[in-house]
Amino acid sequence: EAQVTQNPRYLITVTGKKLTVTCSQNMNHEYMSWYRQDPGLGLRQIYYSMNVEVTDKGDVPEGYKVSRKEKRNFPLILESPSPNQTSLYFCASSLSLTGGLNTDTQYFGPGTRLTVL
Amino acid sequence: AQKVTQAQTEISVVEKEDVTLDCVYETRDTTYYLFWYKQPPSGELVFLIRRNSFDEQNEISGRYSWNFQKSTSSFNFTITASQVVDSAVYFCALKSQGAQKLVFGQGTRLTINP
Repeated sequence: EAQVTQNPRYLITVTGKKLTVTCSQNMNHEYMSWYRQDPGLGLRQIYYSMNVEVTDKGDVPEGYKVSRKEKRNFPLILESPSPNQTSLYFCASSLSLTGGLNTDTQYFGPGTRLTVL
Repeated sequence: AQKVTQAQTEISVVEKEDVTLDCVYETRDTTYYLFWYKQPPSGELVFLIRRNSFDEQNEISGRYSWNFQKSTSSFNFTITASQVVDSAVYFCALKSQGAQKLVFGQGTRLTINP
C-alpha cells in the first residue's frame, strides 16, 4: 500500500532531551516536507527536501533539523526540544514539485503528536 | 503573498442536511493549484481533491462537489446529504506552480449531528 508513515505517533518528552521523528514513504517521491499544526495557526512548513541531500528551510525552521540521506526517509530532529514545540507534526511527500499530471499533490503521514514538558 | 481564508471556523448541521464550506484564496500567480484535505477525529490528513487554475470545471464525487470560480477566487466544497462520518476538520490549500509548499487555510470544523 502506497503510504507515508511516521513514528512515533505520540510522544511525551521533557525539555532538552533530543528526539527524532521518523518519516518514510514507499512511493519513490522526490519531494518531502514537514509541517506543524497548531490551533489558530493552521499548518506551517518547517523544512522541505527536493531530493536526496537537498533540504531547505520552510517558514518555521528554528529549533529543528532534518536530513535526507535516502530518498524514502526524511527524519525530523529536535536537538533540544522546548515546550513551544509541543504540536502535531505531519510529514508529506509528492512525486515532484511541478504541477504537470498532478505530480505535486502532497500526501500526508498520520501525524505525530508531540508534547514537551 | 499567497493566502487562503476559510471564514467559517465551525459549522454544525443535522445529518442529511447539505452543507457548503467556503474557501477564498489570494495569489498573483497565473498558474496555481487548489486542494481540499479532510482531517477526521483520528488526526490524519486525507487528500480529497486537486484543481488546476486553468480548469474551472466543477467536480462531483458522490456526495461531494466542488465549485471553483476564478472570478471570485473561491473554491467551495459542498457535501450533499451529510452523514455523521463527514464530521472532521476540512482544510483548503493553495500551491503555485513550482512552489515548494502548500499554503493552508485555518480549517473549518464540521460537525454532523445525528
